[in-house]
Amino acid sequence: DGGITQSPKYLFRKEGQNVTLSCEQNLNHDAMYWYRQDPGQGLRLIYYSQIVNDFQKGDIAEGYSVSREKKESFPLTVTSAQKNPTAFYLCASIRRQEGDYGYTFGSGTRLTVV
Amino acid sequence: SQQGEEDPQALSIQEGENATMNCSYKTSINNLQWYRQNSGRGLVHLILIRSNEREKHSGRLRVTLDTSKKSSSLLITASRAADTASYFCATDAGLLRNKLVFGAGTILRVKS
Repeated sequence: DGGITQSPKYLFRKEGQNVTLSCEQNLNHDAMYWYRQDPGQGLRLIYYSQIVNDFQKGDIAEGYSVSREKKESFPLTVTSAQKNPTAFYLCASIRRQEGDYGYTFGSGTRLTVV
Repeated sequence: SQQGEEDPQALSIQEGENATMNCSYKTSINNLQWYRQNSGRGLVHLILIRSNEREKHSGRLRVTLDTSKKSSSLLITASRAADTASYFCATDAGLLRNKLVFGAGTILRVKS
């Protein structure tokens, strides 16, 4: 079955440590996105990529970095510069063609600073 | 930035009743989408309504869009306990195609 796989499901980060969240899709979708969700709040866009080897900052990109070397993969690195990284991180993808398509989301990674 | 604002923040109803959630947004849009999120899980796309549409149906879901008031509503008819979840509206803004901006969501609890 096609879908988006995020790993790990839970991640613990020590102060000053960089961590990388994985997002892989086998839907042949062009565009991929990373969102952050804090408790009781909506999703805020971190980074997005419309095509391989290209990506753009979202609303809260500071302290995060991404790469898009393959169409299927869009990993997110949470760097030590991100002062409050504890949150639920969601990856999504979408076809670029016109149509009534919504985003497909992964099941998320919950990151906690210890 | 949060484009959509959902109302109410939380809603508790009995099984079988209808649930209505509202969403307001600030800028012009290409389309508006509704998503559902079960606790601790990813979001699931429910329905998309284009800016030139006024109403759309999908099963027990009915979505309306009023672009003059920059608002939308999601109606879930004959609710079930399994409908308990958070519901988010998201807008695809005019100049930023395929870049969704989400509201804070409505938490729906359906009591059996």
